[in-house]
Amino acid sequence: DTEVTQTPKHLVMGMTNKKSLKCEQHMGHRAMYWYKQKAKKPPELMFVYSYEKLSINESVPSRFSPECPNSSLLNLHLHALQPEDSALYLCASSQAMDRGGNEQFFGPGTRLTVL
Amino acid sequence: AQTVTQSQPEMSVQEAETVTLSCTYDTSESDYYLFWYKQPPSRQMILVIRQEAYKQQNATENRFSVNFQKAAKSFSLKISDSQLGDAAMYFCASATPNTNAGKSTFGDGTTLTVKP
Repeated sequence: DTEVTQTPKHLVMGMTNKKSLKCEQHMGHRAMYWYKQKAKKPPELMFVYSYEKLSINESVPSRFSPECPNSSLLNLHLHALQPEDSALYLCASSQAMDRGGNEQFFGPGTRLTVL
Repeated sequence: AQTVTQSQPEMSVQEAETVTLSCTYDTSESDYYLFWYKQPPSRQMILVIRQEAYKQQNATENRFSVNFQKAAKSFSLKISDSQLGDAAMYFCASATPNTNAGKSTFGDGTTLTVKP
C-alpha cells in the first residue's frame, strides 16, 4: 500500500470553529509532514514529525496545532482560523527524515475554506 | 540556504513531442538530492524522478529523463513522447540529508499543457 489518505477532502469552517484534518499512511514511514499550498504555488512546509516527535515547526501560528498519535496517523487541529488560511493542506510521508534523499509520498489534500 | 528556480511558469507541447523543463538550484552543501514532482489538476503530487548529487549519470524513468549539470547547478527535466496525461504542474525540489534535514526546497513550478 503506497498511499497516503487524508480526510476530509473538503472543509468549510467559520473563524470561530474548531476542526481537525486527518492523515494516515501504512507504509511504515517514520517521517510525516504537513504542507500548505495556495493555488498555482509550491507547497509550503508547516510541520515535520520524525518518529512521532515534532521535529520542525516552520513558525506556524498557534491556531494550527499538529498531533502525531502514532506512527501511522497525523492530525492537524484548527482553531480560530483566518480567511487567509484558506488553502489546500497536504500531508506527506517518507521513510525517514534524517537522510534527506527519501521520496515524499503525498496525500490528495484537504481543500479548506475559512469564511 | 537552498534556492530552487524554475524560470518557465508555463510551457506547452504537442502530443508525442518532446519538451524540456528548466530548473536551477543553489546550495552550499556537497551532499544533496534533486527531485521532480508532478501535480496533475485536482490529483495528488507524485515523484517523477530523483537524482543524487554524487552520481554523475543522469537519472531516467521511462519517458522522463534529467540533464544534471552539477557545475552549472542545473537540473532540467525532459519528457519524451508527451502524452495528454503529462499535463500537470511540475515542481523541481532539492533536499539535503545533513543540514535542514526534513526540509525540501521547492521551485515555483511550471504548468505544462499538452496539446492533442
